[in-house]
Amino acid sequence: EAGVTQFPSHSVIEKGQTVTLRCDPISGHDNLYWYRRVMGKEIKFLLHFVKESKQDESGMPNNRFLAERTGGTYSTLKVQPAELEDSGVYFCASSHATGLRFGSGTRLTVV
Amino acid sequence: RKEVEQDPGPFNVPEGATVAFNCTYSNSASQSFFWYRQDCRKEPKLLMSVYSSGNEDGRFTAQLNRASQYISLLIRDSKLSDSATYLCVVMGGGYQKVTFGTGTKLQVIP
Repeated sequence: EAGVTQFPSHSVIEKGQTVTLRCDPISGHDNLYWYRRVMGKEIKFLLHFVKESKQDESGMPNNRFLAERTGGTYSTLKVQPAELEDSGVYFCASSHATGLRFGSGTRLTVV
Repeated sequence: RKEVEQDPGPFNVPEGATVAFNCTYSNSASQSFFWYRQDCRKEPKLLMSVYSSGNEDGRFTAQLNRASQYISLLIRDSKLSDSATYLCVVMGGGYQKVTFGTGTKLQVIP
């Protein structure tokens, strides 16, 4: 089976710009998660979709972050406007019954 | 108290040594447990699931103790290639909430 794919793999943007990250989960996986790892820190949960519904978005840091999963397939995570502290690696993961499968992440650098 | 707690390490062990990591969780309703391995600048990869009966995969043994709410990972005959961060992951609740531990860093030394 194809794995979880994320795009882009790297993004360098200036402070104040907008960036949209995309995640394509494994086909048939209803659960989709976004996580973030900031340099030197642990992986932090951002939010969880079940199909197209936001099940838990308690980890979203502020209203500059907007996640969508229209149609319950792929998901996007938009950061607008980006700040320096948003730099890190953004991981997407999907699951069906047990275990998570991760994408290779998007490394975001805000300069 | 964090939902999932791990000793961040680092654990520096010589090649061939046996090393064990523990992870405690606070939600007694948690249902599924996993160990993930994360190499520097890479995504976490599933190492193994953890069951109450214990499970073994080669040099790796995982154990779940529901009464004490902890899981463990034992690595025997450590290899240099085992150097990585090991993440404890707990899944459960009605909507499959997933919580990560902070990770335990292992460095195997020649």
